[in-house]
Amino acid sequence: DAGVIQSPRHEVTEMGQEVTLRCKPISGHNSLFWYRQTMMRGLELLIYFNNNVPIDDSGMPEDRFSAKMPNASFSTLKIQPSEPRDSAVYFCASSYLRGRYGYTFGSGTRLTVV
Amino acid sequence: AQSVTQLDSQVPVFEEAPVELRCNYSSSVSVYLFWYVQYPNQGLQLLLKYLSGSTLVKGINGFEAEFNKSQTSFHLRKPSVHISDTAEYFCAVIVNSGNTPLVFGKGTRLSVIA
Repeated sequence: DAGVIQSPRHEVTEMGQEVTLRCKPISGHNSLFWYRQTMMRGLELLIYFNNNVPIDDSGMPEDRFSAKMPNASFSTLKIQPSEPRDSAVYFCASSYLRGRYGYTFGSGTRLTVV
Repeated sequence: AQSVTQLDSQVPVFEEAPVELRCNYSSSVSVYLFWYVQYPNQGLQLLLKYLSGSTLVKGINGFEAEFNKSQTSFHLRKPSVHISDTAEYFCAVIVNSGNTPLVFGKGTRLSVIA
């Protein structure tokens, strides 16, 4: 398996633009998680899905953030409009059996909003 | 709710010296425990996990951790570190029933000095 695949690896955008981050989880995993990592705040859980259904989005910072999982093999995290304070590394992770064996993380998307 | 405390934010150590990274957790129910490593500009990678059985768990790259239920600890150790072990290390906990996600500690930055 190729692992959790995120795209793009790097994204530089101007303030106010829409940004879409993509994630392909490991086949057979039924849970998917979006995290944000910054120096100031560390690793933050934004939202997670079980069987493609959003379970908890309390970590999504503002209404500018939205996430979807239209099927078991694809998820997106969208920021519209983007702001400089959204600059961070965004990770996607997937798991099965509710994560009791741990999560597998993607390599992340480094987002810079200028 | 469960929580994780990593007692040291930074640990400098000389090459070939032993190291211990400390992790304490709190939970009113049984948990599974994990250590993850994050190398610069990469995602988190699972080092080892404790699910049940022997309290001494061996992981990749020569690391091991010991689960101590009475102390609610899960400290990570390596008898002799290498320059390549320089990274951020995260302890994480999940309850072994229910549907709550992994809870991560804030991380410990291990710096190995030549």
